[in-house]
Amino acid sequence: AQSVTQPDIHITVSEGASLELRCNYSYGATPYLFWYVQSPGQGLQLLLKYFSGDTLVQGIKGFEAEFKRSQSSFNLRKPSVHWSDAAEYICAVGAWGQNFVFGPGTRLSVLP
Amino acid sequence: DSGVTQTPKHLITATGQRVTLRCSPRSGDLSVYWYQQSLDQGLQFLIQYYNGEERAKGNILERFSAQQFPDLHSELNLSSLELGDSALYFCASSVGQGAEDTQYFGPGTRLTVL
Repeated sequence: AQSVTQPDIHITVSEGASLELRCNYSYGATPYLFWYVQSPGQGLQLLLKYFSGDTLVQGIKGFEAEFKRSQSSFNLRKPSVHWSDAAEYICAVGAWGQNFVFGPGTRLSVLP
Repeated sequence: DSGVTQTPKHLITATGQRVTLRCSPRSGDLSVYWYQQSLDQGLQFLIQYYNGEERAKGNILERFSAQQFPDLHSELNLSSLELGDSALYFCASSVGQGAEDTQYFGPGTRLTVL
C-alpha cells in the first residue's frame, strides 16, 4: 500500500539554526514528490516538487529537498530558519493517474 | 492569496443533515480537487474533476458527492452527516490533470457537526 511517513510530529529549532525534516515513502510507481507548508488556518502552499533529474531540488523561501531513491526519502532542508517558518510541513507523493498520498505532517516551532 | 475561493469559511450543523461546500478555481485552471483534513486522519484526497469530468477518486464516502459545473466551479455535497465528518475541507485547482501540475489550495471550509 502507498504510504508516506514523517517520523517527527513536532520539531523545535532556534532562529538561525539549520533544519531538516524527514519524509519517507512507499509507492509502487515512480513517484512525484512534494513538500507543502501550511500556516494555522491557511491552505497548503507548495514549497517544492521533484519529478525527475537532479535529485537536489530548490524551492521557495530558501528551502531545498533531496531525493534519495535508495532510501525512499525526500528530506526537506533549510540552512537558516526564520521565525516566520513556524508552520506545519507536509510531504506528499503522487503519480500520473494515481491519488496523492500525504504524510501526517511535522509541526515546526521556532525559538527566538 | 492562491486565487482559489471557498465558501463558506465555517459551517456548523447537526448530525443527519446535508451541506454543500463550494469552490471556485483559479482563472484558467481546469482541474479541481477536494481534500479532507482531520486531526486523526491527516490530509486525505477525496476526488478530482477535470473540465467537468470525474478524473480520480480517493477515499470519498458514498454519503459524499461532488460535481464540477460548466463554469468550472465545483461543489462538494455531504449528506447524512456524522460527528466524524467534522474536518477542514480543502479545494485545490490546477491547470492540467496530472500529478506534475502544481495545485493551488483554497483557505478551506471548517465543518463542525454537532
